[in-house]
Amino acid sequence: QSVLTQPPSVSGAPGQRVTISCTGSSSNIGAGYDVHWYQQVPGTAPKVLIYVNNYRPSGVPDRFSGSKSGTSASLAITGLQAEDEADYYCQSYDSSLSGVVFGGGTKLTVL
Amino acid sequence: EVQLVESGGGLVQPGRSLRLSCAASGFRFEDYAMYWVRQAPGKGLEWVSGMSWNSGSIGYAETVKGRFTISRDNAKNSLYLQMNSLRTEDTALYYCARGDSSSWGRYLEYWGQGILVTVSS
Repeated sequence: QSVLTQPPSVSGAPGQRVTISCTGSSSNIGAGYDVHWYQQVPGTAPKVLIYVNNYRPSGVPDRFSGSKSGTSASLAITGLQAEDEADYYCQSYDSSLSGVVFGGGTKLTVL
Repeated sequence: EVQLVESGGGLVQPGRSLRLSCAASGFRFEDYAMYWVRQAPGKGLEWVSGMSWNSGSIGYAETVKGRFTISRDNAKNSLYLQMNSLRTEDTALYYCARGDSSSWGRYLEYWGQGILVTVSS
C-alpha cells in the first residue's frame, strides 16, 4: 500500500481531458509538502512532468498542469495525444516516515 | 547535459552483498542532493535513499534501513549504494537520481537509466 493513493488506471480519447488524483494525508500533502509528478513511458526512466505542485520544466507542453488542495493533488492532461500513454506517479515528502513517498502510479491509456 | 550512469548490478544470492555506483557528469555534483529509487518488475517506484550535498543529511526507506548504506564521493562525482543482507524482494531496477537542490526531500530532477539487481538462489 502506497502512502499516496492514485487510481490504477485512467483512459481517454485523443483530444479529451483526463485528470489523475493523488490522495495523501496530514503527514505529507496535508502538512504542506509539495507534490511533484513524473511520467514514465514503458521501458524508459521516469522524467519530471510537474514540480512544486504546478510548475512545468522547460520542454513539457502546457497541456499538462498540476494542482494541490488540502491533502490531495491532481494532474490534468488536456488535448490527449497518443504519446501521452504512459505511467504517471505523484511524489511528496512524509514527515511521519521521514522520507520521500511515491504514489502507486496510474496507467494512462489513450483510446 | 546531465548524465547519470549506474553500474554494479547483477545476480546475487539472498543474504549476500552488492555495491551500486552512479557516475555523474554535466553538472557540479557537489552542489546537489542525490537519491536511489527502485522499481520491482511490473511495479511502481519506491524511494530507497536520499543524501544531501555534503552527506550531512541522509534518509532511508524503512524497507532498507539497517541493510543499505548510501554514500558519495564529491571528488569523484560518484554516488554509491552498499546493499547488504539482500533479500529476494530487493530485486528491482535501481535508479540513481539528482535532486533539484542541495537538500534531499524535494523532487528528483534527473534520472539515470537504471541498473538491474536480481536476488535469487
